[in-house]
Amino acid sequence: QVQLQESGPGLVKPSETLSLTCTVSGGSTSSYYWSWIRQPPGKGLEWIGYIFYSGSTNYNPSLKSRVTISVDTSKNQFSLKLSSVTAADTAVYYCARGLGIRYFDLWGRGTLVTVSS
Amino acid sequence: QSALTQPRSVSGSPGQSVTISCTGTSNDVGDYNFVSWYQQHPGKAPKLMVYDVTKRPSGVPDRFSGSKSGNTASLTISGLQADDEADYYCCSYAGSYSWVFGGGTKLTVL
Repeated sequence: QVQLQESGPGLVKPSETLSLTCTVSGGSTSSYYWSWIRQPPGKGLEWIGYIFYSGSTNYNPSLKSRVTISVDTSKNQFSLKLSSVTAADTAVYYCARGLGIRYFDLWGRGTLVTVSS
Repeated sequence: QSALTQPRSVSGSPGQSVTISCTGTSNDVGDYNFVSWYQQHPGKAPKLMVYDVTKRPSGVPDRFSGSKSGNTASLTISGLQADDEADYYCCSYAGSYSWVFGGGTKLTVL
């Protein structure tokens, strides 16, 4: 069955760029919406942004100036870059598949990214 | 784009029913029938429990039901079981290819 797996550094220094990749196994990145969602320790979920397989994107207004999401359909991967990170960006980052605009039906296991010097 | 409002915690005894509310605005919950609910056990990824306000994915017990009135959506869990103890999050489509989550509700089964 289709599975999502996040990968990337678990520790990022303040002011640097956080980079994560989500690999879609058992399926294709085509025909779905792909989102990044994060959860600071002990807090709730926050939608970061989405990308359609065609490359269309949209981002949470609160993060828009710092976020870039891209897709590589040949590798069945999509990626997140978040620039100028601070401690407030410390969170578990999830990648998720969206069934159109309706809901997120498939989630990765999440990866903890800590921002610290 | 403000987070949807959920109670921080609810509780109930085994066999009882609980309802978790999720209040948004006319720009999200009130404007679209694309409200979904997710269950999250500690250290685990969220799991879809209800979508399109009232629908359940295959494998989710019919003890879980959703509804909506105006700007407020609700998740009702009947016949509470110990394994239902978890955090629950609502999510709504908010237009222009954006989504907003609730702050989460901790369900305690007494």
